[in-house]
Amino acid sequence: AQSVTQLDSQVPVFEEAPVELRCNYSSSVSVYLFWYVQYPNQGLQLLLKYLSGSTLVKGINGFEAEFNKSQTSFHLRKPSVHISDTAEYFCAVNTGTASKLTFGTGTRLQVTL
Amino acid sequence: DGGITQSPKYLFRKEGQNVTLSCEQNLNHDAMYWYRQDPGQGLRLIYYSQIVNDFQKGDIAEGYSVSREKKESFPLTVTSAQKNPTAFYLCASRTGQGFTEAFFGQGTRLTVV
Repeated sequence: AQSVTQLDSQVPVFEEAPVELRCNYSSSVSVYLFWYVQYPNQGLQLLLKYLSGSTLVKGINGFEAEFNKSQTSFHLRKPSVHISDTAEYFCAVNTGTASKLTFGTGTRLQVTL
Repeated sequence: DGGITQSPKYLFRKEGQNVTLSCEQNLNHDAMYWYRQDPGQGLRLIYYSQIVNDFQKGDIAEGYSVSREKKESFPLTVTSAQKNPTAFYLCASRTGQGFTEAFFGQGTRLTVV
């Protein structure tokens, strides 16, 4: 069975500082990984995805993530955050054996001045 | 513009009443999903459908029912058997071909009083 662990429920950070949101997955087969962002009372918006190829994936709003197969991780990073990045971030995994996405419990990124 | 429309955005119902949440997509996607979101629990899969007239239970299907009579529509009924129905409900769709990302609606916040 596939599963996703987001190690931090909340990450406070000052504006213009770098940030890393951690995501680890569990699967015995090939995986396809996604990061989504959710602003209050809204749906989820795709930030980036890893399907194959380069392990460093660039997404929207200056975010990037690195797929690390040996560590089963897919951490999300941004070199300099903005107040507008305050939101909830979800990591998700899909394996080749199922049509459904499995989500982590989310990380609340709080950016302050 | 193509997208997923959930309605209504806010819904209030009395305990013991059934209620149906609407989800419509014009993306020509084969697969559709319903997720429930509670604080600190991430997104949990209720039901999903990969093709018209077929659907499967997700991880928390008890107390819910769905239908998929048209490709564009995947309504969710929250029945009186659902013990704790107050939550944020998200509908999503995917092409169903390969391992693509899911697109989400804006959600329906259901409050049962």
